[in-house]
Amino acid sequence: DVKVTQSSRYLVKRTGEKVFLECVQDMDHENMFWYRQDPGLGLRLIYFSYDVKMKEKGDIPEGYSVSREKKERFSLILESASTNQTSMYLCASSTLLDSAGELFFGEGSRLTVL
Amino acid sequence: AQTVTQSQPEMSVQEAETVTLSCTYDTSESNYYLFWYKQPPSRQMILVIRQEAYKQQNATENRFSVNFQKAAKSFSLKISDSQLGDTAMYFCAFMKHTGANSKLTFGKGITLSVRP
Repeated sequence: DVKVTQSSRYLVKRTGEKVFLECVQDMDHENMFWYRQDPGLGLRLIYFSYDVKMKEKGDIPEGYSVSREKKERFSLILESASTNQTSMYLCASSTLLDSAGELFFGEGSRLTVL
Repeated sequence: AQTVTQSQPEMSVQEAETVTLSCTYDTSESNYYLFWYKQPPSRQMILVIRQEAYKQQNATENRFSVNFQKAAKSFSLKISDSQLGDTAMYFCAFMKHTGANSKLTFGKGITLSVRP
């Protein structure tokens, strides 16, 4: 089975801190995604990556950056956390071999910024 | 740009009964995929069912089936013989058929509660 592992299930940070959210997948998937999930807003795409060292902005990239130095790992970085970044963050991956795009998700990281 | 609309925020159904979750979308594309994803409480989101727009036959996966109306841009999910384990948030999603690197657009989700 595909496994997508997010490093932290719950984090509490202070305004202005730099925050790293890590995601690792074990199925050699080419594509990786970071979504943000908020009540009443659904899932919104922050960034995605189709290959190592490649990244593309999603719908809400402001205040975030990403890093993909290895194929299996995709990191989301909040350079200076703000209270409006309090949210659930979901990482997902998919393979080029499945053109219909099934995403495999991690369990999520719930971030609270005080 | 594509949009996906799930207008019902919550629904409830009695165990063993049938429930239908609604989804509409807007696109100018002629070829695309539609999905329903399930997010159980405190668990990972998983794919329930998907539909290719060029296929007229509605997709079915065991107790889950869709009613795909392309002209009306409607994509509803029917859950038959509802079980307690079906309690979850359900998200409708859209993807353009432009190759494997396309990204999904999700609706806002609906919370389904199955009553014992």
